[in-house]
Amino acid sequence: EAGVAQSPRYKIIEKRQSVAFWCNPISGHATLYWYQQILGQGPKLLIQFQNNGVVDDSQLPKDRFSAERLKGVDSTLKIQPAKLEDSAVYLCASSHRTGTNEQFFGPGTRLTVL
Amino acid sequence: AQKVTQAQTEISVVEKEDVTLDCVYETRDTTYYLFWYKQPPSGELVFLIRRNSFDEQNEISGRYSWNFQKSTSSFNFTITASQVVDSAVYFCALSERGGGADGLTFGKGTHLIIQP
Repeated sequence: EAGVAQSPRYKIIEKRQSVAFWCNPISGHATLYWYQQILGQGPKLLIQFQNNGVVDDSQLPKDRFSAERLKGVDSTLKIQPAKLEDSAVYLCASSHRTGTNEQFFGPGTRLTVL
Repeated sequence: AQKVTQAQTEISVVEKEDVTLDCVYETRDTTYYLFWYKQPPSGELVFLIRRNSFDEQNEISGRYSWNFQKSTSSFNFTITASQVVDSAVYFCALSERGGGADGLTFGKGTHLIIQP
């Protein structure tokens, strides 16, 4: 079974530029999560989707971050414009359903904002 | 609000020693799930265990064991006879079941170094 796929693996941009990350969850997983992991910290949830609907985006900085999962499969996370403090690893995870199942994580996208 | 505290930032032991990683959590819910994940230098988070709030039985899986105590809100992880391959950052995490919103709240992690 293929795992969670993410691209790109690395991205370097200058502040005020825009960037987008892509995630393809494990086949059949209805729930998709985006986390931000700043160096030396644990991951922090940004947004959770159930199929193509948003379940929780309470910690998403909506003035600059947006995410979509239009067909209920793969997802895109965008930052526009980027700030220095957005430098982090962006992790995508998926699970079969909410509440009881483990979340499977992708390899992450390491973003550096200069 | 939920919170997970891993007070040990870094632990260094010599191979074959036993080591315990501490995790203390806070939640107002009576139904919740606790997790441990391993993050090796490659960066990918690897699931180790999930425990629900109604199951306080300790669990053993090979050299790994977990001690869940609701009375002290702790979910500690012990590695017996540690090996160099156990070197990684270990995260404890908590998930509540509020209306299907079950994103994980992670602690800051414990960096475990196993010296040969």
